[in-house]
Amino acid sequence: EVHLVESGGGLAQPGGSLRLSCAASTFTFSSYWMSWVRQAPGKGLEWVANIKEDGSEKYYVDSVKGRFTISRDNAKNSLYLQMNSLRAEDTAVYYCARSVAGLDYWGQGTLVTVSS
Amino acid sequence: DIVMSQSPDSLAVSLGERATINCKSSQSVLNSSNNKNSLAWFQQKPGQPPKLLVYWASTRESGVPDRFSGSGSGTDFTLTISSLQAEDVAAYYCYQFYSIPNTFGQGTKLEIK
Repeated sequence: EVHLVESGGGLAQPGGSLRLSCAASTFTFSSYWMSWVRQAPGKGLEWVANIKEDGSEKYYVDSVKGRFTISRDNAKNSLYLQMNSLRAEDTAVYYCARSVAGLDYWGQGTLVTVSS
Repeated sequence: DIVMSQSPDSLAVSLGERATINCKSSQSVLNSSNNKNSLAWFQQKPGQPPKLLVYWASTRESGVPDRFSGSGSGTDFTLTISSLQAEDVAAYYCYQFYSIPNTFGQGTKLEIK
């Protein structure tokens, strides 16, 4: 069974930074695109970013371009999301997901709260 | 950006009855390279991450009960639950992975009547 575990969430001030991590196990991490998806409290799902198997291609939703950076370390089976210049509207549960014909496996998510 | 519009926003169906959720994309998500629609459906229960039900518009994910089925092509898609069970109470989302940014529908909340 594919296992994805997010960490790094918490409380950040507006304008602050956080780095999310997603630890992958029980599959060949380096063979898959990976994505971040977020869900604001009581709201729907929003795709945030994805990254190619080797990290050579990265794509973002417009609302986070220039502020968030997706990256991966295939040697550590880990996915990251560096979030800078955080805004109140970035408050959400952030999920990492394996990108196969959609998003076939998801982690449990990590909550990011941006508030002063 | 491709806008995904689901209908209805909420739905109440009796146990054992059919539930139908519609999803319309603002442009075609038919991938000409494989002649497949880049459309997936997810189920999300409170406090849980989404669960993939259907991908390529009509391929059921392994382990998903066969009462769930997806259909449609181009811009119009449907998720059907043939005989509603109590455990199907959840929010359902369609999702296009045809183009960047990938986008979700706003969700449909399914309840028991």
